[in-house]
Amino acid sequence: QVTLRESGPALVKPTQTLTLTCTFSGFSLSTSGMCVSWIRQPPGKALEWLALIDWDDDKYYSTSLKTRLTISKDTSKNQVVLTMTNMDPVDTATYYCARIRYYGSGSYSGFDPWGQGTLVTVSS
Amino acid sequence: SYVLTQPPSVSVAPGKTARITCGGNNIGSKSVHWYQQKPGQAPVLVVYDDSDRPSGIPERFSGSNSGNTATLTISRVEAGDEADYYCQVWDSSSDWVFGGGTKLTVL
Repeated sequence: QVTLRESGPALVKPTQTLTLTCTFSGFSLSTSGMCVSWIRQPPGKALEWLALIDWDDDKYYSTSLKTRLTISKDTSKNQVVLTMTNMDPVDTATYYCARIRYYGSGSYSGFDPWGQGTLVTVSS
Repeated sequence: SYVLTQPPSVSVAPGKTARITCGGNNIGSKSVHWYQQKPGQAPVLVVYDDSDRPSGIPERFSGSNSGNTATLTISRVEAGDEADYYCQVWDSSSDWVFGGGTKLTVL
């Protein structure tokens, strides 16, 4: 059974750096084709993709946020870490991690499954 | 950047068929995935690769994709299907893109 769980601070101050950890089980990020992604959702709004890291340690970032995001993995711990710098109240959202698989030839599966999400509030 | 357009809301009576559309430029050339999100819960994949269902998803959920529109169809709608639904694609220039979401109301 594949599971993912997000952890991190519930409250951060403006200008601070957010660090979130996704701890997963049921698969290995060293397996060819396996990827983990971060997605967020502001309260009452739509989903927004943030970043992805794959089995080969390739990293992809949202164009609008790439200067603020860093994604990394610790395969031995089954963890993926996302850092987001210079947090602002508009970054208040539920942050999810999810597994996604690369089929090859530029084709990816859907995000499945997702973690339960962690709500991060940015406020002074 | 690649944009996916969904109607904000769709309403349907129990037992009827709901159709939720997702518009995008030549979306028929891409693989479309659909997610169901109930209040306070994480999204769940209900259709992937245009029309396939993950294990455990009822056959009432189906998908199609052609031209500039992908469609999620829910047959014999039940009260428990009331949720927000999101479409999603991967685009070579925009990476992973979600639609704005559609709130399905069961009357």
